[in-house]
Amino acid sequence: RKEVEQDPGPFNVPEGATVAFNCTYSNSASQSFFWYRQDCRKEPKLLMSVYSSGNEDGRFTAQLNRASQYISLLIRDSKLSDSATYLCVVNMNTGFQKLVFGTGTRLLVSP
Amino acid sequence: AAGVIQSPRHLIKEKRETATLKCYPIPRHDTVYWYQQGPGQDPQFLISFYEKMQSDKGSIPDRFSAQQFSDYHSELNMSSLELGDSALYFCASSLTSTAFNYGYTFGSGTRLTVV
Repeated sequence: RKEVEQDPGPFNVPEGATVAFNCTYSNSASQSFFWYRQDCRKEPKLLMSVYSSGNEDGRFTAQLNRASQYISLLIRDSKLSDSATYLCVVNMNTGFQKLVFGTGTRLLVSP
Repeated sequence: AAGVIQSPRHLIKEKRETATLKCYPIPRHDTVYWYQQGPGQDPQFLISFYEKMQSDKGSIPDRFSAQQFSDYHSELNMSSLELGDSALYFCASSLTSTAFNYGYTFGSGTRLTVV
């Protein structure tokens, strides 16, 4: 079983739709959590960090449930430019920092 | 702002050849990481260095080795290349004191094709 699991999708949504991605992680000692965005053949880029209290950045809202070891990302009012792969990432602090990636969820936003 | 610089961007090698990938982290970042991403796969952690010392090791084959130099740049050396080594290789860097909240910054990657 992978340490970080995501639904690979693809999620096909029209512009303006709201879409939610979920992610579960297996290591309860995980320290911090992120959503990264990766465009085709490009490097992963940090979208946002995820905090227990939940956090919002414009159209994006991230939520963390430590008890259920579950992370979510909500995208409101989807834009064409949101089409990408969204990677759920967990920081396994094993003395040193180590990011472990989920397999990613692909989002396709159509006109 | 300076980013993580990787070279070369693309590399084509034949089976059993060797390859060297280079990474220049963001200035003042104390940790460098190497990841391998195969087609349709998530990035897999290979190895990391903290202040020029190896700090963690992941699924790095014995045919691969890496080091970090006094100027903090890092090199990933790959020998006896196999077709399955064809992948995107990302280098990332971070500052330990901020990685908890801000994760890592990735370079643009080196696309290695083994033929």
